[in-house]
Amino acid sequence: AQSVAQPEDQVNVAEGNPLTVKCTYSVSGNPYLFWYVQYPNRGLQFLLKYITGDNLVKGSYGFEAEFNKSQTSFHLKKPSALVSDSALYFCAVRLSYGGSQGNLIFGKGTKLSVKP
Amino acid sequence: EPEVTQTPSHQVTQMGQEVILRCVPISNHLYFYWYRQILGQKVEFLVSFYNNEISEKSEIFDDQFSVERPDGSNFTLKIRSTKLEDSAMYFCASSLRKAGGTDTQYFGPGTRLTVL
Repeated sequence: AQSVAQPEDQVNVAEGNPLTVKCTYSVSGNPYLFWYVQYPNRGLQFLLKYITGDNLVKGSYGFEAEFNKSQTSFHLKKPSALVSDSALYFCAVRLSYGGSQGNLIFGKGTKLSVKP
Repeated sequence: EPEVTQTPSHQVTQMGQEVILRCVPISNHLYFYWYRQILGQKVEFLVSFYNNEISEKSEIFDDQFSVERPDGSNFTLKIRSTKLEDSAMYFCASSLRKAGGTDTQYFGPGTRLTVL
């Protein structure tokens, strides 16, 4: 079965330090990969996606993610964290063909806390 | 920037009652979705909708659930007879093009449904 794993419930980072939020996936076939962020009382906001091509994807608010096919990972990164980055981050995957192509399969989310 | 909107933000209902959750997708989008997130659990796909019919639905989307696009702007999720386990945050999403393609799904802020 297709699945997404976010192994950390919470990540704590000091402001100005680099951050990484981890995501691994298990799908049959080629995946489309997404990161969303959820601020309190807000919906899921799209950050970035990997479809094909360059393994390093750049997205909104200075975030980037690296697709690693051999490790089946799609970790979210930012070189210098801001306090305003504190939020809940969701990794999601969608199949590129076959099966349920339309729906997103989400990880359980990782709470990022950036301290001043 | 266009956004998906949802009303109400919070709905409290008695078990066995019918509820209708409302969504206004982004105006030029063609594909619509409902997801839900039970507290502390993953975001789960419920249903996708295109051209006035269901494209795909999950096992969660049983006969108690229905979706409708009653006019040119609203997209609704109806739960006919709510159960305690229907308590969750319900997210609406929309995308411009084909559900199985590479298009990004944009999410609304969610409706928190509490069944007493």
